Amino acid sequence: KNEVEQSPQNLTAQEGEFITINCSYSVGISALHWLQQHPGGGIVSLFMLSSGKKKHGRLIATINIQEKHSSLHITASHPRDSAVYICAVRAYSGAGSYQLTFGKGTKLSVIP
Amino acid sequence: ETGVTQTPRHLVMGMTNKKSLKCEQHLGHNAMYWYKQSAKKPLELMFVYNFKEQTENNSVPSRFSPECPNSSHLFLHLHTLQPEDSALYLCASSPTPGDTQYFGPGTRLTVL
Repeated sequence: KNEVEQSPQNLTAQEGEFITINCSYSVGISALHWLQQHPGGGIVSLFMLSSGKKKHGRLIATINIQEKHSSLHITASHPRDSAVYICAVRAYSGAGSYQLTFGKGTKLSVIP
Repeated sequence: ETGVTQTPRHLVMGMTNKKSLKCEQHLGHNAMYWYKQSAKKPLELMFVYNFKEQTENNSVPSRFSPECPNSSHLFLHLHTLQPEDSALYLCASSPTPGDTQYFGPGTRLTVL
C-alpha cells in the first residue's frame, strides 16, 4: 500500500514569501498530482507530473523519482493562495488497474 | 459551462430520510468517482465507475448506494444515515481511471 506524507501540515506565511510544500511516497508511481482546495471545498488540479519540473505562473512543481519526493513551490505568495494543497500519487495496483492515493493536505495561510 | 456539476450544494437530512446526490460531467470522461471528505481527514475514495461499471467499492457501508446510468451521470443514494456521515461529498471525473481528475464543487451533507 502506498503511503503519502505531506509536510508541513500547516503553514503560515507573510505575503511575498517563497513557499515550499513537500510530498513523499513509499512505492513506485507513474504520476503525481498536486491539487488545490479552497475554503468551501472546490478542488482544482494544479499539476500532473511524472518527472522533472513544471511551472505555471507563480507555481512550480518538481519531482525526484529516485527519492520518491515532490515539492510544490509558490513564489511571491499572495493571500489568494491561501488554501489546502493536496498531493496524490498514481500507482499500479494490479490486474491492469491504477489507483490514486491522497495525502492529508497542507493548509496554507498567507497573511497580508 | 462548468465541467463537473453537483446538486444539491447543501443538504440537511434526518437519520430516517432517503435522499440522493447527483453529479453530472460534460467533459466526455469515462471514469467517475465519489469521495467523502470529513473534517480534518484526507479525501476518502468511496466508489469508482468506469464506462458505467463499478470498479471500486472501498468498504463503503450499504447505506450509501451509487448508481451510474451513463458515463455522464453519477448518483449517490442515501438512506438511514448516521450523524458521523456528515461530510463534504465530492464527485470527480477523468478520461480514464488514474488520469487527472476534475472535481465538482461538492455537496455539504449534514445528518441530524
